[in-house]
Amino acid sequence: NAGVTQTPKFQVLKTGQSMTLQCAQDMNHNSMYWYRQDPGMGLRLIYYSASEGTTDKGEVPNGYNVSRLNKREFSLRLESAAPSQTSVYFCATLLPGAYEQYFGPGTRLTVT
Amino acid sequence: DQQVKQNSPSLSVQEGRISILNCDYTNSMFDYFLWYKKYPAEGPTFLISISSIKDKNEDGRFTVFLNKSAKHLSLHIVPSQPGDSAVYFCAAGGLTDSWGKLQFGAGTQVVVTP
Repeated sequence: NAGVTQTPKFQVLKTGQSMTLQCAQDMNHNSMYWYRQDPGMGLRLIYYSASEGTTDKGEVPNGYNVSRLNKREFSLRLESAAPSQTSVYFCATLLPGAYEQYFGPGTRLTVT
Repeated sequence: DQQVKQNSPSLSVQEGRISILNCDYTNSMFDYFLWYKKYPAEGPTFLISISSIKDKNEDGRFTVFLNKSAKHLSLHIVPSQPGDSAVYFCAAGGLTDSWGKLQFGAGTQVVVTP
């Protein structure tokens, strides 16, 4: 039972390159979330998916796209990476009927 | 504009003493509040939550207090242990918004010294 897994753990991109961050959960939760964490800013919601087949923008969606491939997987894509997207990215799922979210270990992304 | 604020970026406390972390919010529509703990190179882990209909919730060494009139909550850790050294995030959500959408504070780094 791995919980929430994220790949890759680390990535370095050049400006303009694209990449997809992967997230998978084995807890059978409906809702999934993508956050970014920057120094002094806490975690900010990029996109979320309340259930399979639905996605919605969060607080900072510009420059990102998401896909909820199935109930288990929720991916985040950067089409043309920019240095401002250098951050740590966390995926999370929501315990049904509760408040708390379970987070993955994060992906540290650097855009040069 | 940050709706959840943690104004103390760091806190140092002696082992065995009480740690008090503070959090203020501006949105009166928040219905529930959570505290998360984060170690370096790991994802945040859930600690404790409180609904806006309560003013206190306790779980072992952790107690969260909510003062709705002041839009303020605090986390008390008693007694503090070395393993409590981490960054603590306050978060808030509203029932009228999509369930699970959270606003996070910037975090407070806690260091527990021997």
